[in-house]
Amino acid sequence: DTAVSQTPKYLVTQMGNDKSIKCEQNLGHDTMYWYKQDSKKFLKIMFSYNNKELIINETVPNRFSPKSPDKAHLNLHINSLELGDSAVYFCASSHSDRGTEAFFGQGTRLTVV
Amino acid sequence: AQSVTQLDSQVPVFEEAPVELRCNYSSSVSVYLFWYVQYPNQGLQLLLKYLSGSTLVKGINGFEAEFNKSQTSFHLRKPSVHISDTAEYFCAVSENGAGSYQLTFGKGTKLSVIP
Repeated sequence: DTAVSQTPKYLVTQMGNDKSIKCEQNLGHDTMYWYKQDSKKFLKIMFSYNNKELIINETVPNRFSPKSPDKAHLNLHINSLELGDSAVYFCASSHSDRGTEAFFGQGTRLTVV
Repeated sequence: AQSVTQLDSQVPVFEEAPVELRCNYSSSVSVYLFWYVQYPNQGLQLLLKYLSGSTLVKGINGFEAEFNKSQTSFHLRKPSVHISDTAEYFCAVSENGAGSYQLTFGKGTKLSVIP
C-alpha cells in the first residue's frame, strides 16, 4: 500500500483555470504538508496542517488554499492559475511530536500553458 | 530561523570512487537532521536521519553521515558509489515550530556517477 498518495501525477491546464490536487496518507500521521519544487529542484514548504488546523502558512499567494477534510487528507486548491505556478508539488506527512522524518508522495507535475 | 546550505550543486564522481556531499545548517535551537534522495521523476526518500545519540549515522544503500555540532555540519558519505546512486540529494533540518517539525531543505546536490 502506498503511504502517501497524490492525484493526479501530471496536470496540464490553461492560465486562469482553477485546479485541485488531492493527497491522502495511510500512516496515521497527524501533520501533513505541501511543498513546491521549482525547475531548479528547490523545495519550499507552502503549508502544513496539524490536527486539521493550519499552523504554518508561508508567503504563498492566496490563490493557493489547502483543505483538510480529515487527518488523512490534505488537498491543494489553486485558483486563477498562472504560468509561474508550473512546478512539481509534493505532499508529505509526519508525526508532530516526534521530530521524525516526513514521508513524501510521488509528486504532481503541474504545467500551466 | 533555521537554514540549510549545500555547498555543491553538482558532484560528478567515477563509479566505485568515494563521495562526500556537504551540508551545513544554522539554527538557534536543537535540530533534527536528515538526508533525502530523489531519483528522476520520483518523490523524496529518506536516506538517514540524526535525532540524538551517536553522531555517526548509517542509512540505506551504504550511505552514512556524521553530525558535527561545533561545525554545524552533517556531511553525507559513501565509500564506493554505483551508477544507481545517480540522483539529487537533499539535506534537511527540522526544529520544533508551533507544534510541528517543519522541514527546511537545502537546494540539493546532483550526484552524477560516471561509468
